[in-house]
Amino acid sequence: KAGVTQTPRYLIKTRGQQVTLSCSPISGHRSVSWYQQTPGQGLQFLFEYFSETQRNKGNFPGRFSGRQFSNSRSEMNVSTLELGDSALYLCASSLPTLDRGKIYEQYFGPGTRLTVT
Amino acid sequence: AQTVTQSQPEMSVQEAETVTLSCTYDTSESDYYLFWYKQPPSRQMILVIRQEAYKQQNATENRFSVNFQKAAKSFSLKISDSQLGDAAMYFCAYRSAEPDEETSGSRLTFGEGTQLTVNP
Repeated sequence: KAGVTQTPRYLIKTRGQQVTLSCSPISGHRSVSWYQQTPGQGLQFLFEYFSETQRNKGNFPGRFSGRQFSNSRSEMNVSTLELGDSALYLCASSLPTLDRGKIYEQYFGPGTRLTVT
Repeated sequence: AQTVTQSQPEMSVQEAETVTLSCTYDTSESDYYLFWYKQPPSRQMILVIRQEAYKQQNATENRFSVNFQKAAKSFSLKISDSQLGDAAMYFCAYRSAEPDEETSGSRLTFGEGTQLTVNP
């Protein structure tokens, strides 16, 4: 079974531009979460999508947005890029949690390394 | 809000020896899950072990085991018979299960990480 894929793997953008990152979950997984990883702030939760609906949102400005399609693929968008947005963006997918104790493992993708200059 | 703290930015261990990584967390919830993830230089996050808060028995996965102290809000990871391939950044993570698992979702709160070096 193919793992979580993220495209592109590396990206260089200029301040003020916008960027769209893509995440394809493992087949059958309907929950997709996004995380930002930086040396200074560590791993921070951005948002989670489940069945095309945002289920959870982290403490990030409105410049960060996302969506999920009917095939569970997800995109995140960052508008008006700032230098501080340079980070590794990780996507994770999992099966939905339905029953107590049946917590399903989150599988992480390899990440997209975004550099803002 | 929940917080997770890893007070050891770096740790080192000799191959075949045992090492313990510390993690403390703060929460007002009674129902949650705790995890240890490993991130090697490839940056691929890999689940090492998980613990359900409602279970008193400590989780074990081969050479990896945890010491879960719910009252103390402590969750340490013990790696036995350390191998060179264990060298990585290790993250402790918290996941809420309240009010129910479907509502709380899959959000993870991570600690700062501990860089583990394994010396041959």
